[in-house]
Parts: sequence; structure tokens; C-alpha cells
Amino acid sequence: AQSVAQPEDQVNVAEGNPLTVKCTYSVSGNPYLFWYVQYPNRGLQFLLKYITGDNLVKGSYGFEAEFNKSQTSFHLKKPSALVSDSALYFCAVSLADAGKSTFGDGTTLTVKP
Amino acid sequence: EAGVAQSPRYKIIEKRQSVAFWCNPISGHATLYWYQQILGQGPKLLIQFQNNGVVDDSQLPKDRFSAERLKGVDSTLKIQPAKLEDSAVYLCASSLMSSGGGTQYFGPGTRLTVL
Repeated sequence: AQSVAQPEDQVNVAEGNPLTVKCTYSVSGNPYLFWYVQYPNRGLQFLLKYITGDNLVKGSYGFEAEFNKSQTSFHLKKPSALVSDSALYFCAVSLADAGKSTFGDGTTLTVKP
Repeated sequence: EAGVAQSPRYKIIEKRQSVAFWCNPISGHATLYWYQQILGQGPKLLIQFQNNGVVDDSQLPKDRFSAERLKGVDSTLKIQPAKLEDSAVYLCASSLMSSGGGTQYFGPGTRLTVL
């Protein structure tokens, strides 16, 4: 069975500071890893994904994430947070041969001016 | 390019009633997913279609939930009869790829309240 853990329900950062939203996963096989963002009253939007290759993945809105196989982690990062980054962030994992994704329970990011 | 469309956006029913949700995926996307998102939790896959065939419905409560995608395009998810614990947001997503690497594009969701 595959699973995703987002250990922090809430992350608070000041605008302009770097942010990190943590994600660890458990899967049998090579994982595909995703980050999605959810704004209030809107559906999930794709941010970035790791399939293979470079462990550092760059995505939308200046976000990036680093795949660490030994630590089974895929933390989301941004060098300088914006107030508009405030939203609910979900990490997800799937296997190569199946589209089924397992999502974490989400982390609420609040960026304060 | 139009996104994933869902209707209705909101639905309030009483327990033991039935309800249906509709989804129209992005044009050309062969794979369609239905998720249940309970408040405070991440989306949980209910069923995955590849064209009009079911790929995975292992987490679909088949005694009360059903879904179809008859022509391989739009899809309907039905609950009959509804229970209080079915109160959630029901998300539809579509993807070009059926494999695990495919990016999923989500609709706005239908918020169901069961009283």
C-alpha cells in the first residue's frame, strides 16, 4: 500500500522569507510525486511533479521540490514567500504503472505581510 | 482550453435520499477520476476510468455508490441512499495519461451536505 504524510497541518511564514512544506511517502517501487495547491472554493491545481531525472524539480509560481530517495521525502520550497501563496497544499504519490494517486491530508500555508 | 466541468456546485439533501453529480473532462483526456474529499483530509480516490472502462474502484462503496462513463467522455457519480458521512466535496479530475506519471486536472468540485 502507498501512503503520504504531511507532518505539519499549518505552516506560517513572513512574506519574503523562504518557505518549506514537508512531505514524506511510502510506496513499493519507484514513486511519481506531485504537489497540488488548493485555493478557497476552487479545485486543486497542479504545481510540479517528479518522474525521473534531476532530483530538484521546478514548477509553477516559483515553487520547487527536492526528491530525496533515501529519506523518502519530497519537500516543497520557495526562496521568497508571497502573501498570495497562502493556500492549502497537497502532496501525492503514485506508481509508474497505475494512475491511482494517494494524497496527503494537506498543509495550510499562511504567509503574513 | 476549457477545464474540467462539474455540476452542481452545491447540493443539500436529507439522509436516505439519492443524489447525482456530473463531470465533463478536458477534451481528449481518456482518464477520468472521482475523488471524495472530507473536510480536513486529502482527496480519496473513489473510481478511475480509462475511456469507458473501470481501472480501479477498490475504494468505492459499491452498496451505495455507482459511477458510469458510457461514451468515454462525461461521467456521472450517484449515491443512493445517502448517509450523513457522505457529506464531502466530490472532485472530478482528468488526465491524458493512464499511467502514474500523468498530471491530473481537477474540476471545482461539488460540495454535498447530507442532513
